[in-house]
Amino acid sequence: GDSVTQMEGPVTLSEEACLTINCTYTATGYPSLFWYVQYPGEGLQLLLKATKADDKGSNKGFEATYRKETTSFHLEKGSVQVSDSAVYFCALKWRGSQGNLIFGKGTKLSVKP
Amino acid sequence: GAGVSQSPSNKVTEKGKDVELRCDPISGHTALYWYRQSLGQGLEFLIYFQGNSAPDKSGLPSDRFSAERTGGSVSTLTIQRTQQEDSAVYLCASSLPTGGEETQYFGPGTRLLVL
Repeated sequence: GDSVTQMEGPVTLSEEACLTINCTYTATGYPSLFWYVQYPGEGLQLLLKATKADDKGSNKGFEATYRKETTSFHLEKGSVQVSDSAVYFCALKWRGSQGNLIFGKGTKLSVKP
Repeated sequence: GAGVSQSPSNKVTEKGKDVELRCDPISGHTALYWYRQSLGQGLEFLIYFQGNSAPDKSGLPSDRFSAERTGGSVSTLTIQRTQQEDSAVYLCASSLPTGGEETQYFGPGTRLLVL
């Protein structure tokens, strides 16, 4: 079945370090891909998304590119801040449908000053 | 505007008791989803409502779980005869029926602890 695999955490970085959180997916077609973020004590929020191959989603300095050839959607940020400390979830959903999201297990990021 | 709200925010119950969890979606959102977030299983889909269509119950883990959505708005997730493995955070999300890539907006969740 369809699934999402993302790197295990926790990830601890110093402020201004570069971030990469790997995400790969297994699916029978070409789904839409998402990164959601859960800040401490808050609900899940959409961070960015991409709906077709080679699309790049970006928001708040984060980027992820939909790579069909490697079935990946890695999350990157060039310079993290303490306020980026959160749990990040990669997810997929079938394009054009209102069906459910399939999530990875989440990666906890802690950024130290 | 108001986001997705859920109640209660925390619920502690004894094994074998029934619990009801409530979700108020964003006004105008016809699609509503329930997910479960637990340490061992991550985020799992439970059930999906879209307008007046029959719900997609494919994610419900057992027949102890059920959900309904009254008047196309508020939804209640019911867990009967709770077990310790039901302890988790139950998340509700809603989305707009635009026909494109609708963003799902999540509520803060209900943290359920079964003793």
